[in-house]
Amino acid sequence: DAGVTQSPTHLIKTRGQHVTLRCSPISGHKSVSWYQQVLGQGPQFIFQYYEKEERGRGNFPDRFSARQFPNYSSELNVNALLLGDSALYLCASSLVPTPNTEAFFGQGTRLTVV
Amino acid sequence: AQSVTQLGSHVSVSEGALVLLRCNYSSSVPPYLFWYVQYPNQGLQLLLKYTSAATLVKGINGFEAEFKKSETSFHLTKPSAHMSDAAEYFCAVIGAGGTSYGKLTFGQGTILTVHP
Repeated sequence: DAGVTQSPTHLIKTRGQHVTLRCSPISGHKSVSWYQQVLGQGPQFIFQYYEKEERGRGNFPDRFSARQFPNYSSELNVNALLLGDSALYLCASSLVPTPNTEAFFGQGTRLTVV
Repeated sequence: AQSVTQLGSHVSVSEGALVLLRCNYSSSVPPYLFWYVQYPNQGLQLLLKYTSAATLVKGINGFEAEFKKSETSFHLTKPSAHMSDAAEYFCAVIGAGGTSYGKLTFGQGTILTVHP
C-alpha cells in the first residue's frame, strides 16, 4: 500500500510569491495534518483537517491556509512568501484525529525561499 | 499547555554502546507520548508510543522507552547502538483535550551519532 505522498519534493520560490503544497493520505485515512520543520528544530503544527473540516490551527499567520478535498487529499497554501518560510513541510495522515491513533508522515516538501 | 523538552541536542556513542536519549514532558492531563526518528531528507517514522497501557514500551529496531510519572520523563534507550541508528530523534506529546486535541507537539530533536 502507498504511504503518505507529498508533492513536489523540492521547490524554490522567490519572496512574495505564492506556493501550493499537496498531500495524499494513506487510503482510508480521513484526517490530514500539516507541520513546518525549520532546519534544526522540531516540527511545528500548522493545520489539522478531518472530514474536510478544519479541526485545528497552529500559531501561523493568515498567509497560511489549507483545505481538504472530498477524496481526503489536502493542499497547503502560503501567500506572500518570506525567507523565514523556508522549511520542510510535512504532511501526516491518520484514520481519525484522536490521541491514540498513529499518524503516518510523508517524506515532506522542501521549500526554499530566495 | 503541553510540551516536551529533549535534553541534549547531540549525543554521540560508539557502536555497541548503550543509547540513552532524554525527554521530559509537561502536561496537565495524562499524556500520550511518542518517539519518532528522522533520517536525512526524509519524513518522520514512529519508533514507539505510550498510551498508558504499560510504562515500559517496546518499539521498532530494538528501542524502548519507560514512562516515569514521578520524574515526568520518557527516555528512549537501546542496549547496543548500530551504525544504522544514526539519525535525529524527536520526542512528542499529543493533546488529549482542549484545543490541542489530536495535535502533536515535538521537542527540539536529538541528533544521534554512532562511531565505529
